[in-house]
Amino acid sequence: DQQVKQNSPSLSVQEGRISILNCDYTNSMFDYFLWYKKYPAEGPTFLISISSIKDKNEDGRFTVFLNKSAKHLSLHIVPSQPGDSAVYFCAASAMQGAQKLVFGQGTRLTINP
Amino acid sequence: KAGVTQTPRYLIKTRGQQVTLSCSPISGHRSVSWYQQTPGQGLQFLFEYFSETQRNKGNFPGRFSGRQFSNSRSEMNVSTLELGDSALYLCASSVPSGTDTQYFGPGTRLTVL
Repeated sequence: DQQVKQNSPSLSVQEGRISILNCDYTNSMFDYFLWYKKYPAEGPTFLISISSIKDKNEDGRFTVFLNKSAKHLSLHIVPSQPGDSAVYFCAASAMQGAQKLVFGQGTRLTINP
Repeated sequence: KAGVTQTPRYLIKTRGQQVTLSCSPISGHRSVSWYQQTPGQGLQFLFEYFSETQRNKGNFPGRFSGRQFSNSRSEMNVSTLELGDSALYLCASSVPSGTDTQYFGPGTRLTVL
């Protein structure tokens, strides 16, 4: 039973354009969502998060949108840069402070020059 | 501030052996969580320790155990290793401050032969 799903295993985007990564969840108890970026042989790096009381959070080139009614969140990267090529994981937690993250399977983003 | 450190980075064991992995959290972080990453199952939560107590546990067999010391450093142990235990084991630390933003170490790559 996969509670957090990233349905696109891979995404290819031109440098300078917008990258949109999607994530769906099924557990309505999730109230905190995070995006992590991972390079091979390294641990995930925290990018941005959003609480369920918000529908948008922005940090530089990264914006996360949350649609609670659709149980859907997305990460927008604008403009995309070659260094953004990595695997992106969506994660969620129920009961804030529980420190138990449920991860999606990841989307491999490739930025083409 | 130094990040999360994990030792060793790579480990090769044979079936039936036991292994201990170590994690030092970011200074000031009191919560340490452990995750297993495999190609088939993705990133899965193992357990979380706070103030030397296990607060949360994932769906792993009792062969997987851990502990936390008074300086917040943590160890996880896997006994009677099986081939399927081959994975990247990630440690993450957080303050925690009421949110679940966790910061990951580089991981320990365990190979069971």
